[in-house]
Amino acid sequence: DQQVKQNSPSLSVQEGRISILNCDYTNSMFDYFLWYKKYPAEGPTFLISISSIKDKNEDGRFTVFLNKSAKHLSLHIVPSQPGDSAVYFCAAKDWRDTDKLIFGTGTRLQVFP
Amino acid sequence: SQTIHQWPATLVQPVGSPLSLECTVEGTSNPNLYWYRQAAGRGLQLLFYSVGIGQISSEVPQNLSASRPQDRQFILSSKKLLLSDSGFYLCAWSAGQGVGYTFGSGTRLTVV
Repeated sequence: DQQVKQNSPSLSVQEGRISILNCDYTNSMFDYFLWYKKYPAEGPTFLISISSIKDKNEDGRFTVFLNKSAKHLSLHIVPSQPGDSAVYFCAAKDWRDTDKLIFGTGTRLQVFP
Repeated sequence: SQTIHQWPATLVQPVGSPLSLECTVEGTSNPNLYWYRQAAGRGLQLLFYSVGIGQISSEVPQNLSASRPQDRQFILSSKKLLLSDSGFYLCAWSAGQGVGYTFGSGTRLTVV
C-alpha cells in the first residue's frame, strides 16, 4: 500500500528551465510534507517542507505547492542547474504518528546543459 | 552540532552470513532513530524505528532485526543474509514531534 506516490521515475530538463516534480498521496491524515534530495551513495538531505495549512512555500529556487483537495504536491526548481541532478523523494507525516515519515519512490532528475 | 555516523560504507557478504550495521548519533540526547532501505528501483522503505533505549518498532516482516543498546546507538542485524537483503541501508535520526530527519551516509550491502 503505497501512500505516497511519485509516478514519474525520471525527468530530464535543460539547464535554466523549470523542473517540476510531482507527488500524490492517499492518506488524508498527512499534515506535513517534505522533499529530500539524494545523490548516489549518499544519504538524502532535506530540501524544503510545507505544512498542510499552507498551499505554497518558497526557498530560493525551490518552491513547493500543495493541493489538498487533489492530494497532490509538486516541487518547482527554477532555474534548473546541473548540480540539481539527483533523486528527489517526497515524504509525508501523519498527524497521528509524528514519529514516522512515509517516503515516495523517488524521481531521478537530470539537468543537462 | 549534531552528527550521525554510519558504517561500513560498503559491504559484500555471502548468502547465509550474519550482518551487523551500526549507527551512532552525536550532539543530541534521546533521538528517534530509524533504519531505512532503498532497494533497486524502489523508494525508501522504513524497516525499524526506535523512540528510546530498548524500544524497537518493526515496520516490515523480514529477515532483519534492530537493537538500541544505548541512547545514541542503533544496530541493524541479521543472523543469515538472503540475496533479497541487498540494498542501500540508511540510518536517520530526528528530534521527534514531526521534525524532519537527518540521514547518515548509507551502507551499500551486496549479498552474493
